[in-house]
Amino acid sequence: DTEVTQTPKHLVMGMTNKKSLKCEQHMGHRAMYWYKQKAKKPPELMFVYSYEKLSINESVPSRFSPECPNSSLLNLHLHALQPEDSALYLCASSQVGARLAGVTDTQYFGPGTRLTVL
Amino acid sequence: KQEVTQIPAALSVPEGENLVLNCSFTDSAIYNLQWFRQDPGKGLTSLLLIQSSQREQTSGRLNASLDKSSGRSTLYIAASQPGDSATYLCAVYAYSGAGSYQLTFGKGTKLSVIP
Repeated sequence: DTEVTQTPKHLVMGMTNKKSLKCEQHMGHRAMYWYKQKAKKPPELMFVYSYEKLSINESVPSRFSPECPNSSLLNLHLHALQPEDSALYLCASSQVGARLAGVTDTQYFGPGTRLTVL
Repeated sequence: KQEVTQIPAALSVPEGENLVLNCSFTDSAIYNLQWFRQDPGKGLTSLLLIQSSQREQTSGRLNASLDKSSGRSTLYIAASQPGDSATYLCAVYAYSGAGSYQLTFGKGTKLSVIP
């Protein structure tokens, strides 16, 4: 099983709403990632969890709050978002993650959640 | 800071033609390079991964090469088909500072194969 699943596929929310994105993998990977992708742009890294600990936060606003309850699950909690936060949010996982040098660490991506903020 | 550039930004070819997509990166100290495919509004599908010690990888009609010293990679697609139409992204995995390693993506090449 080389699948990363993401729910929901689509999400429309108002600026005062609180919602969460969910990502799951059962490949035994110990690193999980959140990326944001705007239309016609490459994915931009937001957060990296390695062994359930946050290892990278790419200066993301606090209205995005990641959570890694266990090694298979990654959440992104959303609160008070702005219309410019509308994007495709991609989750990925890899075997060992960001802190081990020289390891071929393929990232497997989920299908993404299309978020629209009104 | 690592920068990845892909040329051309868009490419349109007739079905059956062979084609080459180009990727260049500024810092040759990479661990691996990946080529991804992305269909509109969808996630990324990994096509090929080349480790820094390798020169090329092949999968079916796809062949990717890597010249780490010159900071270049190419993705060769043989006998193109309409189903190959998608955006192709190149990404390098390298040290990004503070004990961390990251994938840095190019902006992609949008490929259209005309029947």
